Order: sequence, then C-alpha cells, then structure tokens
Amino acid sequence: DAKTTQPNSMESNEEEPVHLPCNHSTISGTDYIHWYRQLPSQGPEYVIHGLTSNVNNRMASLAIAEDRKSSTLILHRATLRDAAVYYCILRRGTSGSRLTFGEGTQLTVNP
Amino acid sequence: NAGVTQTPKFRVLKTGQSMTLLCAQDMNHEYMYWYRQDPGMGLRLIHYSVGEGTTAKGEVPDGYNVSRLKKQNFLLGLESAAPSQTSVYFCASSYLGGNTEAFFGQGTRLTVV
Repeated sequence: DAKTTQPNSMESNEEEPVHLPCNHSTISGTDYIHWYRQLPSQGPEYVIHGLTSNVNNRMASLAIAEDRKSSTLILHRATLRDAAVYYCILRRGTSGSRLTFGEGTQLTVNP
Repeated sequence: NAGVTQTPKFRVLKTGQSMTLLCAQDMNHEYMYWYRQDPGMGLRLIHYSVGEGTTAKGEVPDGYNVSRLKKQNFLLGLESAAPSQTSVYFCASSYLGGNTEAFFGQGTRLTVV
C-alpha cells in the first residue's frame, strides 16, 4: 500500500477555514484518496474521497494536485465539533483493496 | 438501518481466556475489516475479507483468527488472550474497494488482565 504523510497536529479557530495537507508521492494510478475522521471515543467516519478531480460534499472539499502526489482536505468553516483526528488514506481501486490507516492529523479548534 | 454493529461493547478477559468479537453489517457489503487501536495511535489492520468465505491477513494478524461464514458477519477470535491484546477493536465494511466509502462500528473495548 502506498504511504501518506500528514502533519501530526494542526490548530484552527472556530468559523475559520482549515486546510489539512496530505502527501502521497508514491500514489498509483488506481489509488483513490480517502479522508476519514475520528471524533473522541468514536469509530472513524467517512469524510470524502476522490481520484483525480476536486470533490465537494456537505462536510468538506477535497483538492487534489494535478500530479496527484498531494491533496488537501478543506473544512470551510471549522466548528468545535470538527475537532478530531483526520486520516488521509490511499485505497486501491482494484479487487482486494485494503484500508490501512496512518497516524493522522490531530485538529484542534479554538473557540 | 443499523449499519455496522459490534458485539460486545466492553469486555474484560483473564490472560489465557478465549473470546469472539462479532461484527454485523446490514448493508450487503462485500468487504469487511477488523482493526485494533491502542491509546494515542492510529488504527492497525488485523484481518480483512473481500467476500463471504474469504479472509486475508492485515498488518498485525498474530494472535487473532477470523471467519466470514455469512456475508453479513465477520468474527474476530482470540484463542488465548494476552495483556498485549488490550485495545479498542473496530470493525468496518464497504461495498467494494477504492471508490466506495467504508462504515465503521462504534468499537469494542477489550481489557486483558
């Protein structure tokens, strides 16, 4: 599985945008870029995923670099509820795909 | 719509005892996963399954066995529990691979004394 690199921690202020970076320089052509987050004492929850084009949903936006070696998860207006560990994961688009986690980024949101 | 349900939610075992954790999903998903999460760390993949009757090893399979006899259930077994297996265990499922989202259960907190 290709590896991802994320900062250990980031801080943001409430109601400000947050840009969470992820590097994946060894990404293959069939790897989808997934983001999950884990709130305290809960299981991870899906945030967003994409392959080549930027993606938007009700939770966030995903910006993918043209060479696909990096991506950025964008929370448009952070709330206190967004404080969580955010995981950037590559998931192969072929059969037998695993789902393996790194250490993620701990996001702190200040009131 | 229950999603992914893990049973039990909490358990305390004595060293050497055995137990089975059950993961059940009602979304007709093909893929299922078992993870463990130790304090302050990310999730580590124990075993996974890409369909009924299939299983495969993940990153940390030693000391665990799994079975997927029915599509909706994925069982994780500890034959002889050790204190090093004290952890929070998460199950997940997804319809297929890369282009589908995964759904997670709420976890089982296991303590081995």
